[in-house]
Amino acid sequence: GIQVEQSPPDLILQEGANSTLRCNFSDSVNNLQWFHQNPWGQLINLFYIPSGTKQNGRLSATTVATERYSLLYISSSQTTDSGVYFCAGGNGAGSYQLTFGKGTKLSVIP
Amino acid sequence: EADIYQTPRYLVIGTGKKITLECSQTMGHDKMYWYQQDPGMELHLIHYSYGVNSTEKGDLSSESTVSRIRTEHFPLTLESARPSHTSQYLCASRDRGAGGYTFGSGTRLTVV
Repeated sequence: GIQVEQSPPDLILQEGANSTLRCNFSDSVNNLQWFHQNPWGQLINLFYIPSGTKQNGRLSATTVATERYSLLYISSSQTTDSGVYFCAGGNGAGSYQLTFGKGTKLSVIP
Repeated sequence: EADIYQTPRYLVIGTGKKITLECSQTMGHDKMYWYQQDPGMELHLIHYSYGVNSTEKGDLSSESTVSRIRTEHFPLTLESARPSHTSQYLCASRDRGAGGYTFGSGTRLTVV
């Protein structure tokens, strides 16, 4: 199966700062998603983005499928952005089954 | 409101007990999944289903079993719980078209 590598593993931001999270894949994917897991364990789907760029408020994501990576941008960070950000991907016949990265733990301090 | 529900939210049981973790979704999704997640770690796929009477094992070996008798219901059963089963179990679903997963709130299981 594919390998998913996320960086950085940990990130501490001052409130209001911007950040970029990266996700690399060992193989091409045709199903790529970003999730946010809040401190209570709830996973929220942020983006379904196998290619291209999408924006949702202060968050945006870009996937360069040919180079097997995706980026998640967080602008003007808020304390409520804290938690763990996961990317996950799938390919081929198993594209509906996602392989998750180890996550980036983000802490936004006031 | 369309959603995915997991019960119980928290469960503490003794070794050797049989338990069933419930997962139901009201979105009519055909694809459903169970993931296991230890605290602070990545998610691992343990079971999935592409529709009624379809179940498959995932990448992570698990002693649990699942069933899919109805589209909306995808329960996970542990016949004999052990302390090594202590973890969070997350259920998810997805429609057949393009789109992201929807996750339930999870069940935090502790086996003592």
